[in-house]
Amino acid sequence: QKEVEQNSGPLSVPEGAIASLNCTYSDRGSQSFFWYRQYSGKSPELIMSIYSNGDKEDGRFTAQLNKASQYVSLLIRDSQPSDSATYLCAVNTGGFKTIFGAGTRLFVKA
Amino acid sequence: EAGVTQFPSHSVIEKGQTVTLRCDPISGHDNLYWYRRVMGKEIKFLLHFVKESKQDESGMPNNRFLAERTGGTYSTLKVQPAELEDSGVYFCASSPLGALNTEAFFGQGTRLTVV
Repeated sequence: QKEVEQNSGPLSVPEGAIASLNCTYSDRGSQSFFWYRQYSGKSPELIMSIYSNGDKEDGRFTAQLNKASQYVSLLIRDSQPSDSATYLCAVNTGGFKTIFGAGTRLFVKA
Repeated sequence: EAGVTQFPSHSVIEKGQTVTLRCDPISGHDNLYWYRRVMGKEIKFLLHFVKESKQDESGMPNNRFLAERTGGTYSTLKVQPAELEDSGVYFCASSPLGALNTEAFFGQGTRLTVV
């Protein structure tokens, strides 16, 4: 079992729709959870971090964490073509070692 | 403020040669990390420095890889001798010293191709 699992996609949504990206992790001791966005050929860019159960909203982005289910998600409201990228779920199990998922490719169709 | 910079951006070398990658972290960031992404796989942790000290090098693939951070500023990652399976994108990231769960800033990466 992979430590951090994501559906590779591609996930295709129309412009203006809600994109829902999901991630599960295996280590119950995980403490910090991150979503990075990576455009092709570019560096991963941190867009959301979440540390406690529940929802965290930042503009059009909402991160949701459920530690009991070992599940973290990212919702993107009013999706724009510029949101098209690979979204990486990352989990920190304590210390400084962050485990990444393989990423989900998102396409937002104009 | 300059971000994390990596050099070179691309490198193509022959199997058996040596390559040295360089990372300049954000000024003042004591934590420096190396990651690698091979084709189609997830980004994998290689190692972590705090200043000049290696804190965790559990992700280093084998002894052909050597990372240094003399003086606690920039870091180098040397691969000697390079093998075909070393091809991938090598990312460096940095973060300030502080809470364990602080977020890291990534460089653009070095794309290494071993032929």
